[in-house]
Amino acid sequence: QKEVEQNSGPLSVPEGAIASLNCTYSDRGSQSFFWYRQYSGKSPELIMSIYSNGDKEDGRFTAQLNKASQYVSLLIRDSQPSDSATYLCAVNGGSGGGADGLTFGKGTHLIIQP
Amino acid sequence: EADIYQTPRYLVIGTGKKITLECSQTMGHDKMYWYQQDPGMELHLIHYSYGVNSTEKGDLSSESTVSRIRTEHFPLTLESARPSHTSQYLCASSRGGQQFFGPGTRLTVL
Repeated sequence: QKEVEQNSGPLSVPEGAIASLNCTYSDRGSQSFFWYRQYSGKSPELIMSIYSNGDKEDGRFTAQLNKASQYVSLLIRDSQPSDSATYLCAVNGGSGGGADGLTFGKGTHLIIQP
Repeated sequence: EADIYQTPRYLVIGTGKKITLECSQTMGHDKMYWYQQDPGMELHLIHYSYGVNSTEKGDLSSESTVSRIRTEHFPLTLESARPSHTSQYLCASSRGGQQFFGPGTRLTVL
């Protein structure tokens, strides 16, 4: 059973600080890793993808991947109240969806305190 | 503008009715997906398609059916709606592993 684990939170971070979200996965064969942001009542929005070990930066967001430890993280710098949402970690593979099928974690609820 | 569309956005319907949730994408993606998500809960894959005339069941058992007659269109049908079908239904399409979601349909069965 391929699994993606996230701490459900809530994770509370003061405005302007760095929010750190973590994710572990069980399938060593996974090759693609994604972070989605989901506001309450809305659909998930892709914000970052990462495919190789190391860091990938895009604006205030940095994704980090360590395949040896089967660990993916998302850092949000200069956190804003608008960053308050649930963040879903997704990993390719899983029991369905073919080559593009993703296994989603349950998500971490992030709250940015003004 | 390339996008993915779902209609209706909200639907309240009585038990036993047949319903079809529409999903269309203009991104030219071959692979499409249907997910079910209850409020505050995780996403569950219920159907997916590799392309025209291809449909597969996902991880979560569902009483719904899907069809893929055109690349851009992937409707989901419930023959006889029940209160247990009350949920949010999300359609997605993908290319290169990245999945993009439509706005969702929030279904309530009374």
